[in-house]
Amino acid sequence: DIQMTQSPSSLSASIGDRVTITCRASQTISSFLNWYQQKPGKAPKLLIYAASILQTGVPSRFSGSGSGTDFTLSISSLQPEDFAIYYCQQTYIIPHTFGPGTKVDFK
Amino acid sequence: QLQLQESGPGLVKPSETLSLTCTVSGGSISDNNNYWGWIRQSPGKGLEWIGTVYYSGSTYYNPSLESRVTISVDTFKNQFSLKLTSVTAADTAVYYCARRGQMATIDWFDPWGQGTLVTVSS
Repeated sequence: DIQMTQSPSSLSASIGDRVTITCRASQTISSFLNWYQQKPGKAPKLLIYAASILQTGVPSRFSGSGSGTDFTLSISSLQPEDFAIYYCQQTYIIPHTFGPGTKVDFK
Repeated sequence: QLQLQESGPGLVKPSETLSLTCTVSGGSISDNNNYWGWIRQSPGKGLEWIGTVYYSGSTYYNPSLESRVTISVDTFKNQFSLKLTSVTAADTAVYYCARRGQMATIDWFDPWGQGTLVTVSS
């Protein structure tokens, strides 16, 4: 199985901060990388697919980049509604696997 | 707007079969050659993809669960279902259903149902 790791596991930030989360795959996954946001008690919500394509309706402050094994999710200016857990997911090889998540909370 | 809703027992005894149904509304389960999936989330294992089914019924599963999992589609009811046999406490999780989106060979899950907690306990 492809192992997905994320760093940091958690971070504290303030409104307006730029936030960057890293996701690393244990082997190359080309651009088969998705990012999800999950708030307490809710299902994950797709933010970005194919490493860098913003899902319809997702604010443009979110962006994704990377290919191969290293990927990043950036939030250009953190908003109150962005405090959540963020997960990456690879869909290059079965089984499709998720990262352990990065919790973004309020500093 | 496409919506998905999971339903089924919230408590299952060890060694028995977990059965869940996902009802799709706001669209047809066979629209756009859709694929549909099940994912679960537990504190110990995080998010885990279980398997995916095509509207025609073809499936592919997580190899770690394949011997115990069956996912099927009922196009008349606009539903798809999950069966997981011989459950143990390790199968306790929130179970989500979702639609698989696709662009060329790249795929993702969106939208998701709200999730349903299934506890395995005697």
